[in-house]
Amino acid sequence: KQEVTQIPAALSVPEGENLVLNCSFTDSAIYNLQWFRQDPGKGLTSLLLIQSSQREQTSGRLNASLDKSSGRSTLYIAASQPGDSATYLCAVGMNYGGSQGNLIFGKGTKLSVKP
Amino acid sequence: DAEITQSPRHKITETGRQVTLACHQTWNHNNMFWYRQDLGHGLRLIHYSYGVQDTNKGEVSDGYSVSRSNTEDLPLTLESAASSQTSVYFCASSTWTGELFFGEGSRLTVL
Repeated sequence: KQEVTQIPAALSVPEGENLVLNCSFTDSAIYNLQWFRQDPGKGLTSLLLIQSSQREQTSGRLNASLDKSSGRSTLYIAASQPGDSATYLCAVGMNYGGSQGNLIFGKGTKLSVKP
Repeated sequence: DAEITQSPRHKITETGRQVTLACHQTWNHNNMFWYRQDLGHGLRLIHYSYGVQDTNKGEVSDGYSVSRSNTEDLPLTLESAASSQTSVYFCASSTWTGELFFGEGSRLTVL
């Protein structure tokens, strides 16, 4: 059974710092990996989607990498801002037929960026 | 803009009552999903659908049902609400590449 782990559960950094959030998974037969952001009381917002054949994706100050063989993904946030404060969730899609979008989620890393 | 909407956003009900949470998306996505989010458990899949008349059970489907009569809607029904079903429920739909888009959530309290 696939398990997705995110460490640390919470992280506090000063504004301007570059930071890395970690995600690990136990079964490397994944279809894709997606990073989300969730603000308190809100739904999840898709940040980056990495297909299993890709190694990384970039969007603005965000860069996500994927290493299937080691079961790891990282989300790199450059020059962090207070507006980046949120919970970041990692989710993997498994590689069995017709499972697009059927994701298994980690429990998230709660990020706080202090001014 | 295309979107996914859930209703009601907040609901309080009593044990044993039937409850239906609505989900409507305007992206014309074939794939739709219902998740629940609880402290300590994260997001867990309840039911999902890959198209009209298709429904499948997820990890925590007991006590829930869905139906898919058109592309836009996937209502989630709690047949007889239990206190253990107090949670925040999220509906989502996905593109053919598997990118998932979520609604704002429905907070359900069962007393």
